[in-house]
Amino acid sequence: GENVEQHPSTLSVQEGDSAVIKCTYSDSASNYFPWYKQELGKRPQLIIDIRSNVGEKKDQRIAVTLNKTAKHFSLHITETQPEDSAVYFCAAILKAGNNDMRFGAGTRLTVKP
Amino acid sequence: DAGVIQSPRHEVTEMGQEVTLRCKPISGHDYLFWYRQTMMRGLELLIYFNNNVPIDDSGMPEDRFSAKMPNASFSTLKIQPSEPRDSAVYFCASSLLPSGNTIYFGEGSWLTVV
Repeated sequence: GENVEQHPSTLSVQEGDSAVIKCTYSDSASNYFPWYKQELGKRPQLIIDIRSNVGEKKDQRIAVTLNKTAKHFSLHITETQPEDSAVYFCAAILKAGNNDMRFGAGTRLTVKP
Repeated sequence: DAGVIQSPRHEVTEMGQEVTLRCKPISGHDYLFWYRQTMMRGLELLIYFNNNVPIDDSGMPEDRFSAKMPNASFSTLKIQPSEPRDSAVYFCASSLLPSGNTIYFGEGSWLTVV
């Protein structure tokens, strides 16, 4: 997605450490920001999402934060486990009012045991 | 719910042949999307439909690609003629109104053009 930038492209952490992935978007009217996890050879699956009326959302070891002013949102994984190893994609709707979901380039997370 | 169903799961075809990929969205979903995934270009939105009507096809690479949705439960993505650079995983996905709801992906069609 050319208007959804994601960093870093690869991330390697030790088991138990935290991992943070960041994304920026271009349309200030965007209001929905999902994160997907894709394991090797499988489909992307939603792991958490956030809407623009909240700044943070948490689900067990996963949290997402949103800064609408700066137009960026981040995925935080705490106490990482080897099974967290996958490619993670952020996404945003480029044009408010449409439903064309564009994805970031992905972050390959490796959790070393 | 069986989820988004795609076929074929894997296809190997020769350059110049026609390829047809099929998708059945989740029942009741109003939006259907076709994405292409490659190492170089990541997940690209090719086209999406709302209530069977194509809304945005600006991501369709060229005239060799076409997509249809004749009814609420079926869509096709066709490549004619196919080229080696079309080799990719093609994902179909669907979601429910209103705008900004979760998109659910099918398992993908792995296409190799030799």
